[in-house]
Order: sequence, then structure tokens, then C-alpha cells
Amino acid sequence: SQQGEEDPQALSIQEGENATMNCSYKTSINNLQWYRQNSGRGLVHLILIRSNEREKHSGRLRVTLDTSKKSSSLLITASRAADTASYFCATVSSGYSTLTFGKGTMLLVSP
Amino acid sequence: DAGVIQSPRHEVTEMGQEVTLRCKPISGHDYLFWYRQTMMRGLELLIYFNNNVPIDDSGMPEDRFSAKMPNASFSTLKIQPSEPRDSAVYFCASSLGGEQFFGPGTRLTVL
Repeated sequence: SQQGEEDPQALSIQEGENATMNCSYKTSINNLQWYRQNSGRGLVHLILIRSNEREKHSGRLRVTLDTSKKSSSLLITASRAADTASYFCATVSSGYSTLTFGKGTMLLVSP
Repeated sequence: DAGVIQSPRHEVTEMGQEVTLRCKPISGHDYLFWYRQTMMRGLELLIYFNNNVPIDDSGMPEDRFSAKMPNASFSTLKIQPSEPRDSAVYFCASSLGGEQFFGPGTRLTVL
């Protein structure tokens, strides 16, 4: 069963706009990771945030984590058409080594 | 490094046939994961290995599925006999315990 639930399921924006995706999860976690999947390809790791971190940046990506609300958000600033993909959050539960993925958010960035 | 390598990239077979999917992890990685992705169920972890030893195969759907890792550079996922409901994209991923690196996947179609 899915641990993470992404919201929204689909998002359509124009180039240059910001895109925000949210993820909620159920159990205590060790860390939370975001991945991107382009159509027909494997998943690519974007960023990892540990349970004792609240915010992390990587280029145009900003991830926040609120362990009290069991939620995370991924912000992509100044989006580009090349950002069109599905984005997944995945959690590593405390005491485990495996990732549990949500069903993802499909992002469409139009030129 | 070439990344995680999977073969074949596409496989079309008939119900009842044996299917073998292959994976070469990134050199030096000590974790290897097999996932299945479908529209209905999303990304599911089937089994994972640590230092070539199967750790958790609770995600393997049935006895028709088996996985081996004879050495650190090779793993197989076998389905025997295959059924139409096994049609999916199968991903292999490897890691050092943190972020996971995914292969391009094998798209399996069972007729």
C-alpha cells in the first residue's frame, strides 16, 4: 500500500510559473525523497530531506518537511517545458531501508 | 558509470511462457531493488537484496515470481508461468542505502 499521497494528481502550468506539489504520509519516517519520472523512463532522484530537517534547496527545487503534520512539499520555481514529468514522493520509514512511493503528480508545463 | 542496466527493454510474450528480466546494478552499490509499475497500483516494491542476500520478498505477488542475485553485479527476476496481469514496467534500482538509482525499466506485455 502507498505510504505517500501526492496532491494534486495533475498540475498544468505555463513556463515561468512556479509549481507546488504536496505529499502526505502516515508513519514516522527516517527521510523523505522526491523523484521525477519522464514518460517511458526510469525514476530520477531529485532531493532527500531527513526527518530532522525542515527545508532543503537544490537549484530551482525547494522541499519542505513538516513531521508534525506528516507532510512535505516540492516547489519548482520558474518552471520550464523540460520539467514536464511525473513527480513522486517516497518515504523511508524509521528502522527500514526501503522506499514507499506515492502515486505521483503529473506536471505539464506549457511553453 | 553507465548507471543501472536492464535487459530486455521490451518483452512481449504469451501467457504461460517463462520470462526472465535482467539487471546490472551500479558498481559498488550494496542494495538492489526490484519494482513493478502499473497505472492501477503505481510503483510497488517486489523484493530487495543487501550484499546479494534477499532481505524482504514480501512484495512478490505469487510463487510464480522469483528473484536471484548470484553476485554483486547481476540479478534476475523470473516469472514462470507468466499471465496477462503481469503486464507492467519492471524497474531495477540500486543504492548505497540512500538515494536509489533506477534503470530504464523493462516493459513486459503478456498476451
